[in-house]
Amino acid sequence: TQLLEQSPQFLSIQEGENLTVYCNSSSVFSSLQWYRQEPGEGPVLLVTVVTGGEVKKLKRLTFQFGDARKDSSLHITAAQPGDTGLYLCAPRYAGKSTFGDGTTLTVKP
Amino acid sequence: DVKVTQSSRYLVKRTGEKVFLECVQDMDHENMFWYRQDPGLGLRLIYFSYDVKMKEKGDIPEGYSVSREKKERFSLILESASTNQTSMYLCASSVAGQAAYEQYFGPGTRLTVT
Repeated sequence: TQLLEQSPQFLSIQEGENLTVYCNSSSVFSSLQWYRQEPGEGPVLLVTVVTGGEVKKLKRLTFQFGDARKDSSLHITAAQPGDTGLYLCAPRYAGKSTFGDGTTLTVKP
Repeated sequence: DVKVTQSSRYLVKRTGEKVFLECVQDMDHENMFWYRQDPGLGLRLIYFSYDVKMKEKGDIPEGYSVSREKKERFSLILESASTNQTSMYLCASSVAGQAAYEQYFGPGTRLTVT
């Protein structure tokens, strides 16, 4: 059974601060996606990472895929209230996606 | 603009009732999924379908069934609703294939069973 953990579970910060959230597993992923879910809506894809060590940037968001493809991180620079939401990682094992429990981020103005 | 719609945003049903949750996508996607989302448990896959009239059990299919008579429509059925099925239900769709693909989600149906 794959063990998938996202941390922290909750994070509350002030506008302008930086933060990093993590997605860790005991298994090797073939690829991994990050989604953001805003209150009252379904998740929306932010990025897909495929290669070990890969780094992708999306404006103020930086996504890193671990060298061993067992973990990933999402770093947000100068967080804004619009970044508030639930961040879900979704690694793929054996052709199937699994979703983590997510990190609930609140950015206060 | 791609779209996945779900028939209701909020639904309240009584224990023992038969419940239908409908999902429609307009992207001609082959794959469709039903998840439930509960605090501390993340998104758990109930059923998915990779073609019309085809279905596969996900991680938690007990107490649920599905129907896919048309490519754009995927229905989740609770044959006899129970209070432990109170949850947020999310439908998603994607293109076919084994490569990493984006799942497009609907807004969700919050079901309360009393």
